[in-house]
Amino acid sequence: QVQVVESGGGVVQTGGSLRLSCAASGFAFSSYGIHWVRQAPGKGLEWVAFIRSDGSNKYYGDSVKGRFTISRDNSKNTLYLQMNSLRAEDTAVYYCARSGITIFAVATLWGQGTLVTVSS
Amino acid sequence: EIVMTQSPATLSVSPGERATLSCRASQSVSSSLAWYQQKPGQAPRLLIHGASTRATGIPARFSGSGSGTEFTLTISSLQSEDFAVYYCQQYNNWPPGTFGQGTKVEIK
Repeated sequence: QVQVVESGGGVVQTGGSLRLSCAASGFAFSSYGIHWVRQAPGKGLEWVAFIRSDGSNKYYGDSVKGRFTISRDNSKNTLYLQMNSLRAEDTAVYYCARSGITIFAVATLWGQGTLVTVSS
Repeated sequence: EIVMTQSPATLSVSPGERATLSCRASQSVSSSLAWYQQKPGQAPRLLIHGASTRATGIPARFSGSGSGTEFTLTISSLQSEDFAVYYCQQYNNWPPGTFGQGTKVEIK
């Protein structure tokens, strides 16, 4: 089955760190770029980060630049999001989403998401 | 950063009727526009990319049109499973891939 499954969410204190994972199956993981997109409770979608298929290039939204790091291990078919210096406004469901094979900016396959709650 | 504005915020439609959703970009995004559907408690799903190309498995009742700054998503005959929130996203000036705030399609 073609899917991506996020894990690692939870409750963390302000200023703390958390690492999210995204496990892919059913497709050639190393051929696709992957996005992280988040959604605060009751709000819309916000693009967070993207990594190219070979990990050579990484891109971040302004709100997380310098605090979050996206990475991947193609031998394990797994994507990561290391989140440091967490703030209350980082509270959201975090989705990983596979890009298109040619249109990398579009999210073609989404996971079910993992909830991150940042509290004081 | 390009700002995407969707209208209306909420659209009340009866099953079987046509729904027309709008998305406007603060500057031209050419045809680099995608539409996503999100049902309550679920992840978003890609419907349309390239402003008018349906993604794999998307029914023909969904159609997209427009270019430049004005875009439309049309659902020709609403089915019960189509009541959801719809987001547009531009990817012409990427990153970031900015999303609109969403349009909720509810049952009238």
